[in-house]
Amino acid sequence: SQELEQSPQSLIVQEGKNLTINCTSSKTLYGLYWYKQKYGEGLIFLMMLQKGGEEKSHEKITAKLDEKKQQSSLHITASQPSHAGIYLCGADRFGNQFYFGTGTSLTVIP
Amino acid sequence: KAGVTQTPRYLIKTRGQQVTLSCSPISGHRSVSWYQQTPGQGLQFLFEYFSETQRNKGNFPGRFSGRQFSNSRSEMNVSTLELGDSALYLCASSLFWGKDTQYFGPGTRLTVL
Repeated sequence: SQELEQSPQSLIVQEGKNLTINCTSSKTLYGLYWYKQKYGEGLIFLMMLQKGGEEKSHEKITAKLDEKKQQSSLHITASQPSHAGIYLCGADRFGNQFYFGTGTSLTVIP
Repeated sequence: KAGVTQTPRYLIKTRGQQVTLSCSPISGHRSVSWYQQTPGQGLQFLFEYFSETQRNKGNFPGRFSGRQFSNSRSEMNVSTLELGDSALYLCASSLFWGKDTQYFGPGTRLTVL
């Protein structure tokens, strides 16, 4: 079973719209990472969250960690075509293997 | 600083053959991890190396192996290739192992015919 579930699986939005992607863990989260991937390419690190309630921003992308709910959300404000791609959350488990979420495919229509 | 590099970028092999993929980490990074990405299974962890020692291993058959050299460069090998091994193989490097931000290379696209 997947330890990190992302929702929605795919998203199509009009340019300029806001959107949110969620990542829910079935196990305790010690650190949560967000990455972006263009199809067939490597992953680009966006940000890492470590503490419950922590919120980080990078340009128009904001991510927040809710430790109690074992969930993280990624919010994009005023989406642009350059935001299109696959967003992946990932979590480490203290020296054990790193897990990735199921991924969310984002399409931004100009 | 140069990013993570992977060679080759594309590879076509036939069933039964073996293949070796190479990864050069970011300068100063001592940990290298390998992942397999397929449409059906998503991103799956293969193994992680630090200081030439395998620190973690994912749930893959013994046909998948790897090693790390003293300069932190890493190679992974897949023997007796199967059609299902067709995937994007991604390498990531980090300063240390276990709990550190990983930076990814562009990947090697392996096609098994």
